[in-house]
Amino acid sequence: TQLLEQSPQFLSIQEGENLTVYCNSSSVFSSLQWYRQEPGEGPVLLVTVVTGGEVKKLKRLTFQFGDARKDSSLHITAAQPGDTGLYLCADLSGTYKYIFGTGTRLKVLA
Amino acid sequence: DAGVIQSPRHEVTEMGQEVTLRCKPISGHNSLFWYRQTMMRGLELLIYFNNNVPIDDSGMPEDRFSAKMPNASFSTLKIQPSEPRDSAVYFCASSSNSYEQYFGPGTRLTVT
Repeated sequence: TQLLEQSPQFLSIQEGENLTVYCNSSSVFSSLQWYRQEPGEGPVLLVTVVTGGEVKKLKRLTFQFGDARKDSSLHITAAQPGDTGLYLCADLSGTYKYIFGTGTRLKVLA
Repeated sequence: DAGVIQSPRHEVTEMGQEVTLRCKPISGHNSLFWYRQTMMRGLELLIYFNNNVPIDDSGMPEDRFSAKMPNASFSTLKIQPSEPRDSAVYFCASSSNSYEQYFGPGTRLTVT
């Protein structure tokens, strides 16, 4: 069974700081997704990456997919309180089954 | 355009009672997923429907759990009898393809 480990588990930073969170898989990713889940809400898809070495940017968020497709990172520049939430990585296993990571809980203090 | 709708948002019940969670997927989506989220186990897929047909229920923890999708716009997840270890947040998600799921706001279930 594939395991997705995310680190760190918890992160508390001041507004304006930069941060990076990581997702590592026990096997090669098929199709990696990153989600953000705000308190009291469901996860919301941020990005899908498929190709090893791929880099995608979404405003202040930069997503990188490892060359070997077994790891990924999410970098946030100049974090804002609105970035607070649980960040989840997920892999599409087969045609419909998503395996979710353990999550990184981020808190950005004003 | 309405997203995935779940009800109730919060449910508190006593051990042994029947619990029914409801979901209305996004109109036009043909795939529906039920997930359970806990601190210990994270987000786990319970059951997947495609075109109203259950395709994979391997994640349903035991016979106390059942799910139905009588039509394209409604699904239920039932727990009977409920136990304290069923306490979790239950999410419904829908999709029109395999690559993008839209999650509902979840139902927070507490079984005392």
